[in-house]
This record gives sequence, structure tokens and C-alpha cells, in this order.
Amino acid sequence: EVQLVESGGGLVQPGGSLRLSCVGSGFTFSRFEMTWVRQAPGKGLECISFISSGGASKYYADSVKGRFTVSRDNAKNSLYLQLNGLRVEDTAIYYCAREAALGAMDYWGQGILVTVSS
Amino acid sequence: DIVMTQSPDSLAVSLGERATINCKSSQSVLYNSNNKNYLAWYQQKPGQPPKLLIYWASTRQSGVPDRFIGSGSGTDFTLTISSLQAEDVALYYCLQYYGTSPRTFGQGTKVEIK
Repeated sequence: EVQLVESGGGLVQPGGSLRLSCVGSGFTFSRFEMTWVRQAPGKGLECISFISSGGASKYYADSVKGRFTVSRDNAKNSLYLQLNGLRVEDTAIYYCAREAALGAMDYWGQGILVTVSS
Repeated sequence: DIVMTQSPDSLAVSLGERATINCKSSQSVLYNSNNKNYLAWYQQKPGQPPKLLIYWASTRQSGVPDRFIGSGSGTDFTLTISSLQAEDVALYYCLQYYGTSPRTFGQGTKVEIK
């Protein structure tokens, strides 16, 4: 069974940092591209970062470029998102999702809440 | 970036009736080389992550009931729930995943029971 489990969220002050992790199981993690999607409270879905299967290609939405960094460790079946310079508007549930060969995200984690507040 | 616009923002349909959600992209998401539309539909229920329903605009994901029907090509797409069930109450999002462009979602459509 494919599973994705996020961790590392919590409450942080504006300007602070967090590191989110996502551990995959039930599939060959190293073969799949991965995406981070976030959802602000009561709002829609936003793709904020993408990383290729080997980690060489990365993408960031303009809203997080220069502040967030995506990485992965295929030996540990793990995906990471380093969040620096956090802003109140970064408050959201952050999901990691697997990109299927068909290109759309087919499996999602349950999400982890990041709250940025003073 | 490709902008995805859904309509309506919400709709209320009687049980057993048809629900139709539209999604329009600001540019074509049809790849001529393989004749595939890079468009997916997701369902999201409260407190849950999105669930993939449809990919390639019209292919149902494994396990998705056949009352969910995706159609359209190029820039205009539709998700039809042919006979609304109580468990279909949810938010529905379209997503374009065309080439190397940033993936973008529509703003979402809320489906309720009338």
C-alpha cells in the first residue's frame, strides 16, 4: 500500500524556519517525481514545489521562491521542504504528493499544518 | 503560468440528478504529439487530502465510480457526476499538468445536496 507521511509542522513566528519531511512507503520512492502542495485555511490548492526523481530538477512557485528549498534522500525514501523566512500568509496545510507516470499527483499524504503567527 | 478557471463556484443538486462542473484553461493543455490533454480532476472532502478522480481529462483512476465522467479537450473541460450520491458532497478541483509549466489548480467548486 502506497503511503506518504508528513512531519515537522507546527507553530512558528514570522521570519522563522521549519523543515518538513515526507516519508514514502509501499513503492519505489526513487522512481517518482514528488510535489509539495499547500492549502491555506478555507482556500484552494497551490503547487509550491516539485522535484524530479533524482533530485536534479526543481521548481518553486513565485510565492515561495528564494525562501523554500526542496530536497530528497532516496536512500531514506524521504522528501524534504525547508521553509525559511516564513510569513503569516504561509500558514497552511502542506501536502506531499507523488507524481505518477501519467503526470498528475496520484497519492497524497494526510498533510501537516504550518502556522505562522506571533 | 496557465490559469485554470472553474465554474460555478458552487452548485446544489438533488440526489440522483446530474452535476456538471466546468474548467477552462488560459491556454491549451493538449499535447499534439500524443493527443493527450494534461488535465486532472480531484475530489476533496473536509479534513482529507485531495483524491485523484480523472486524469488525461477523461480516464478514471482505478476504483473511481463510473458516475464520474471527464470530458473536453484543448482549453475547455467538464466533470460530470451523472447521478449524485450523498457521498459525492465535496470540493472538486481541476489541475493542469502540461509540460514543464507550473502545475496549477482551478479555484474549486463546492458540490452540495439540494
